[in-house]
Amino acid sequence: DQQVKQNSPSLSVQEGRISILNCDYTNSMFDYFLWYKKYPAEGPTFLISISSIKDKNEDGRFTVFLNKSAKHLSLHIVPSQPGDSAVYFCAASETGNQFYFGTGTSLTVIP
Amino acid sequence: DTEVTQTPKHLVMGMTNKKSLKCEQHMGHRAMYWYKQKAKKPPELMFVYSYEKLSINESVPSRFSPECPNSSLLNLHLHALQPEDSALYLCASSQDGGWSYNEQFFGPGTRLTVL
Repeated sequence: DQQVKQNSPSLSVQEGRISILNCDYTNSMFDYFLWYKKYPAEGPTFLISISSIKDKNEDGRFTVFLNKSAKHLSLHIVPSQPGDSAVYFCAASETGNQFYFGTGTSLTVIP
Repeated sequence: DTEVTQTPKHLVMGMTNKKSLKCEQHMGHRAMYWYKQKAKKPPELMFVYSYEKLSINESVPSRFSPECPNSSLLNLHLHALQPEDSALYLCASSQDGGWSYNEQFFGPGTRLTVL
């Protein structure tokens, strides 16, 4: 049973617009969350993290929002760029060591 | 069945031991992957099997030996490991054998400790 779910397999966004990628989880004990970006034929690249003591974390064009009551997190990319086209995974952990991954959302940013 | 299962969940081994990690999926996926993940670091790709053939080996030392006996199974044979090889080993699978995959399903991992 998937403990971390990304229900949108794909997303297309115009360049310059906002991309919003969503992630839901079932385990209320998860307290540390990550977003990864993955290009074909490469390993995942860490993007941004958030711990459960926060509800928002920003890093440049990337912002992660955490709604603990809804067991939901989202990644906002503003403005979206063609180079952002990749598969994005969210991952969650209770201890910071073992992570449970979502299945990924393929983002396409259209020039 | 939308799960990737990995056994064992935890493994402790000495530097002279030989052990194997196992991964299984029954989703009909034709690509399977091994990743290594150190604590609080992103997973690092080790190997990719596509249609049961090794398609990527990311310069992994020969003390790690992958095997894909059939399309549902992926093994990682371990021999003469070093303490720095202690990590979480993740298996994943995806539908396509090529690089056009959208979704990659990860197993929960095997926590390996090398003494």
